[in-house]
Amino acid sequence: QQQVKQSPQSLIVQKGGISIINCAYENTAFDYFPWYQQFPGKGPALLIAIRPDVSEKKEGRFTISFNKSAKQFSLHIMDSQPGDSATYFCAASKGTSYGKLTFGQGTILTVHP
Amino acid sequence: DAMVIQNPRYQVTQFGKPVTLSCSQTLNHNVMYWYQQKSSQAPKLLFHYYDKDFNNEADTPDNFQSRRPNTSFCFLDIRSPGLGDAAMYLCATSRSLAGHNEQFFGPGTRLTVL
Repeated sequence: QQQVKQSPQSLIVQKGGISIINCAYENTAFDYFPWYQQFPGKGPALLIAIRPDVSEKKEGRFTISFNKSAKQFSLHIMDSQPGDSATYFCAASKGTSYGKLTFGQGTILTVHP
Repeated sequence: DAMVIQNPRYQVTQFGKPVTLSCSQTLNHNVMYWYQQKSSQAPKLLFHYYDKDFNNEADTPDNFQSRRPNTSFCFLDIRSPGLGDAAMYLCATSRSLAGHNEQFFGPGTRLTVL
């Protein structure tokens, strides 16, 4: 019940295209859903996050869509750029859980020029 | 720039030889976390400190210990590394224990066990 399932494992997109990564969770106690971006040799960095009281959050080219009834959320990267090539992790946490992040398995995104 | 620093970036040790990984932070955050990330896998929380209070995840092996001598520093000790402990070890910090606080990650230490 603590798992967060992420798909696809890898994704190849052409420059200018839309990248979509999906995550699903089971634990309805989760109330915070961040996405982290990790470049090779670096630690993960927070990209964007959403709480379940909204269905969508947009920051620049990055959008999170959240479907509470389906217990799913997704990351959309518009106008994907080669510099977006990285591993993306979705995560979830409970407000009462000392900030423990439960990560998805990760998606390796490659954006071709 | 405020940041999370990990040393060394790469560590090679022998099977069974104790090793210590270091993390320091200039963010003055109350919470420090240690994660283990194996190749092509998600980071997995090992334990965290809130100030001096230590909290171990239930499935963290006894082989892994941690020390936090002050707010800025936290150490990960692996008492008898096995081949299965080869991984990237990530340190992260957070202002408080509230689940919505952003966690700031260091660049990680890649541990190789020979």
